[in-house]
Amino acid sequence: GAVVSQHPSRVICKSGTSVKIECRSLDFQATTMFWYRQFPKQSLMLMATSNEGSKATYEQGVEKDKFLINHASLTLSTLTVTSAHPEDSSFYICSASLPRGMNEQYFGPGTRLTVT
Amino acid sequence: GQQVMQIPQYQHVQEGEDFTTYCNSSTTLSNIQWYKQRPGGHPVFLIQLVKSGEVKKQKRLTFQFGEAKKNSSLHITATQTTDVGTYFCAGRVIYNQGGKLIFGQGTELSVKP
Repeated sequence: GAVVSQHPSRVICKSGTSVKIECRSLDFQATTMFWYRQFPKQSLMLMATSNEGSKATYEQGVEKDKFLINHASLTLSTLTVTSAHPEDSSFYICSASLPRGMNEQYFGPGTRLTVT
Repeated sequence: GQQVMQIPQYQHVQEGEDFTTYCNSSTTLSNIQWYKQRPGGHPVFLIQLVKSGEVKKQKRLTFQFGEAKKNSSLHITATQTTDVGTYFCAGRVIYNQGGKLIFGQGTELSVKP
C-alpha cells in the first residue's frame, strides 16, 4: 500500500515554456502532499506543502508565481513550472502523508526536468 | 533557520564492516525519520522515532533518538552490498500552525565486496 506515482518521469522543454508535473496517491487519500527539489548528490529541498482544497504553503525563497501548485483532489497534486529556465532543471519529487497523522512520507519516483 | 546536519557525507566500507551515520539538529524535534535512497531511486521510509532516548532495531539496523531529541543515529552492523545508498535523516519541527520535515544532507554509503 501507500503508493505514489508521478508523471511524467522525464521531460525536456524549451526555455520559456511551462511544464506540469502530476503527483498521485494511488491507494490512499492524501490530504497533504509535499513537493521537493533534489540536486545531484544533494538532499531534498522542500519547496511547498500542498493541502487539498487550499492554497499551498511555500518555503522561504521559493517563488509562488513560478512554481504553481494545485491540490484539486485528495489523490492529485500538480506542480507547474512556469516560464522555465535552464536553472530550473532538476529532479522534482513529490511525497504524500497518510491522513492518520503526519508521520512517514511516501515518495513518488520523481520527475527529471531538463530545460534547454 | 532550523537545520539538520548529517555526518559523514560519504562513507566507504568493506563488506562486513559496521557503518554509522549521525544526525544533529539545532532545534528540538518532535520526531525523527530515516529514509534510504538507492542510486537512481526515490527515498524510501525506514523508521520513525518519537520518544526521548528511543532505540529501535530492524534486523542489522539500529536507530537511536537522543535524550534531548536533538540528535539521532543509524548504525548498520556487518554491512552488505545491498546496503548501498544514501541515508537521510529528517527531523520534524513543530510550529504554531503546523510542522515541517527538515532533511539532513544525507550520508552516501558504498560497500566494497
